Amino acid sequence: QKEVEQNSGPLSVPEGAIASLNCTYSDRGSQSFFWYRQYSGKSPELIMSIYSNGDKEDGRFTAQLNKASQYVSLLIRDSQPSDSATYLCAVNRGTGFQKLVFGTGTRLLVSP
Amino acid sequence: SAVISQKPSRDICQRGTSLTIQCQVDSQVTMMFWYRQQPGQSLTLIATANQGSEATYESGFVIDKFPISRPNLTFSTLTVSNMSPEDSSIYLCSVGDPAADTQYFGPGTRLTVL
Repeated sequence: QKEVEQNSGPLSVPEGAIASLNCTYSDRGSQSFFWYRQYSGKSPELIMSIYSNGDKEDGRFTAQLNKASQYVSLLIRDSQPSDSATYLCAVNRGTGFQKLVFGTGTRLLVSP
Repeated sequence: SAVISQKPSRDICQRGTSLTIQCQVDSQVTMMFWYRQQPGQSLTLIATANQGSEATYESGFVIDKFPISRPNLTFSTLTVSNMSPEDSSIYLCSVGDPAADTQYFGPGTRLTVL
């Protein structure tokens, strides 16, 4: 079992719809959770962080964390073609360093 | 977040040669990391570079192939030695942010080995 698992996709949604991206992790001691967006040919960009159970909203993005079920999700409301990218889930196991474990990423395609 | 630059942004090299990639940060950081991202793949951590100590390498990566320097808190280099076409990849440096418990990435170096 991989430490951080994501569906590779592609996840295809029409413009204006809600895109839902999911991630599960295996280490129950994990402390911090992140979503990075990576456009083709570019480096990963941090877009959301979440540290406690529940929802965290930032603009059109909502991160959801459920530690009991060991999953993290990212909702993108009013999806735009510019949201088309690969979304990487990353987990910090709480070692006291900023070392992250990355999932393989989910490719999102938003069609006009 | 810190501003991170990498040099070169891309290079095409002949097999058997070596390339040194530089990573410069605009502020002092404790933790720096080097990743490889092969085409269509996710990120693979090569090593953690700490100032004043030897780099810590992940399984499958060795110092002879990927020597790393960390002379101060704003700079690091990664050398890809004795290159083969299998080393063709994007190499990324990142810096740790203890306040956010996460990392920020540089723009990457796209390496092609012929």
